[in-house]
Amino acid sequence: EDQVTQSPEALRLQEGESSSLNCSYTVSGLRGLFWYRQDPGKGPEFLFTLYSAGEEKEKERLKATLTKKESFLHITAPKPEDSATYLCAVQGRNSGYALNFGKGTSLLVTP
Amino acid sequence: ETGVTQSPTHLIKTRGQQVTLRCSSQSGHNTVSWYQQALGQGPQFIFQYYREEENGRGNFPPRFSGLQFPNYSSELNVNALELDDSALYLCASGLGGGSEKLFFGSGTQLSVL
Repeated sequence: EDQVTQSPEALRLQEGESSSLNCSYTVSGLRGLFWYRQDPGKGPEFLFTLYSAGEEKEKERLKATLTKKESFLHITAPKPEDSATYLCAVQGRNSGYALNFGKGTSLLVTP
Repeated sequence: ETGVTQSPTHLIKTRGQQVTLRCSSQSGHNTVSWYQQALGQGPQFIFQYYREEENGRGNFPPRFSGLQFPNYSSELNVNALELDDSALYLCASGLGGGSEKLFFGSGTQLSVL
């Protein structure tokens, strides 16, 4: 069964203090690994899809990387508006089209 | 801003009752998925519809059922509600049967008392 574990559960950063969020996964044949951002009271918002180990993608202050066992979401010089819950999900070849999500990391960036 | 809209935004039901949640997909999208998100958890896949046919289902009992209409709007029906069904129900739409870039609505918060 596909499994996704995210750490830490919660992270508090000062504005400008860079850090990384971790997503460890086990999956039977990775079709893709996804990062979403979720604000309170809203649905998840798509950030990135990574397909193979070694792949990297960037968007503004965010950079996602992928290895065979984990993915990192690096946040460089975060701003208060980056505060949100970041969700990682995998899609395995044996799970059809379902996305299997982790519990997320709740990020708070203070001024 | 996504074009996925869900209604109602909040709903309170009693154990044993039935509920229907509605979703209007983003224009042009032919895939709709439903997810259940309990407090403090990640979303859990319920099922997916592609061109009005169910083409994937998660670990949910048959009392969770759905429909997709020709205009790509969708319904999630839950019969015989249980207390554990209290959660945020998310609808997501995409392009193609295997689309991974999903656009989520803001969800329906269901409370079962």
